Amino acid sequence: DTGVSQNPRHKITKRGQNVTFRCDPISEHNRLYWYRQTLGQGPEFLTYFQNEAQLEKSRLLSDRFSAERPKGSFSTLEIQRTEQGDSAMYLCASSYLAASTDTQYFGPGTRLTVL
Amino acid sequence: AQSVSQHNHHVILSEAASLELGCNYSYGGTVNLFWYVQYPGQHLQLLLKYFSGDPLVKGIKGFEAEFIKSKFSFNLRKPSVQWSDTAEYFCAPLHQGGKLIFGQGTELSVKP
Repeated sequence: DTGVSQNPRHKITKRGQNVTFRCDPISEHNRLYWYRQTLGQGPEFLTYFQNEAQLEKSRLLSDRFSAERPKGSFSTLEIQRTEQGDSAMYLCASSYLAASTDTQYFGPGTRLTVL
Repeated sequence: AQSVSQHNHHVILSEAASLELGCNYSYGGTVNLFWYVQYPGQHLQLLLKYFSGDPLVKGIKGFEAEFIKSKFSFNLRKPSVQWSDTAEYFCAPLHQGGKLIFGQGTELSVKP
């Protein structure tokens, strides 16, 4: 198992375009998280799934953002009508929820630049 | 709302110096606490974690952290830093719902 993978690693787009990112979690991890990190800040929570169910969405996640995890394995995060303020590193993490422990393992991230 | 504060934004040390990075959180419920590290050009990696039991937890590469419930703190320590410890360090309590609440991060620069 090579850990959490994310594609693409970098994305440059023009304002107003739609973009989609993919995250493949560690095998058999039932939870998958999306975070966003801007320069000089810690990651901020966006949303998470347990299996295919989306359990929580942050207020940061505007209507232009949508995330799916259709089969409880990989997940996609789509941003519609991108804005310059969407430029950030988008991080995915996965975990296996067991008892009271929940350790999240992070992928390398997708760096989005909106021109 | 739950929050976390990391006291030092940028720390510069010489090799062999001792390290302590402060972390305070505001959350009154069951607390699970993490420190993550991000080396230059690499992704976030787990350094250590606290769930319950002994409040002094040991992590990778000689790091340790102490959970002090009365002070809402989870400070990270290392007796003797190395140049390879140059990285950004994030304290993150786990919210009861499952999400991590990250601090702003502390950038550590170790001079050889």
